[in-house]
Amino acid sequence: DGGITQSPKYLFRKEGQNVTLSCEQNLNHDAMYWYRQDPGQGLRLIYYSQIVNDFQKGDIAEGYSVSREKKESFPLTVTSAQKNPTAFYLCASSMRAGQGDSNTGELFFGEGSRLTVL
Amino acid sequence: AQSVAQPEDQVNVAEGNPLTVKCTYSVSGNPYLFWYVQYPNRGLQFLLKYITGDNLVKGSYGFEAEFNKSQTSFHLKKPSALVSDSALYFCAVRDLNDYKLSFGAGTTVTVRA
Repeated sequence: DGGITQSPKYLFRKEGQNVTLSCEQNLNHDAMYWYRQDPGQGLRLIYYSQIVNDFQKGDIAEGYSVSREKKESFPLTVTSAQKNPTAFYLCASSMRAGQGDSNTGELFFGEGSRLTVL
Repeated sequence: AQSVAQPEDQVNVAEGNPLTVKCTYSVSGNPYLFWYVQYPNRGLQFLLKYITGDNLVKGSYGFEAEFNKSQTSFHLKKPSALVSDSALYFCAVRDLNDYKLSFGAGTTVTVRA
């Protein structure tokens, strides 16, 4: 089945440690995104990538890093510089803007990764 | 800049009654509007979208939404709510010229039996 796979689903980290969240998609989408979800704040965009080897900062990029070496993969690293990393992280993908006549930009989401810093 | 407001943090209804979840938006151009649903500790599931055409859009699980350009609203509706509709609902918008989606803060729907 086509879809987006995030791993791990639950992750615990000690303060001062970096951690990498995995996101893989087999939807053949060019664009991929990372969102952070906190209670009562909706989804906030961390980073996004329209194409391989290119990515842009979203609204809350500080303390995070990404790479896009393959079309299928968009891993997110939560660094020790992120002051409040405990959250639910969601990866999504979509067709790139202008790609295809039927592209209306809806996002397809993974099941999320819950990171807890101890 | 584009933005979405969901004025109600929570909506409570009895099973069988109509359900409405409100959403207003702001974009500089023509909007693409979306509704998503999220169950606990899960990702977001797409419900429906408005791109152009009829102002009443039908989606998954019996949900529909009405686009009102003059009021810049896109309220989600269901004629008869089910207990299984209890979840967190998000409205999202993108400008025609910007593929990034902006999400509202979400509305928690509780349907009591």
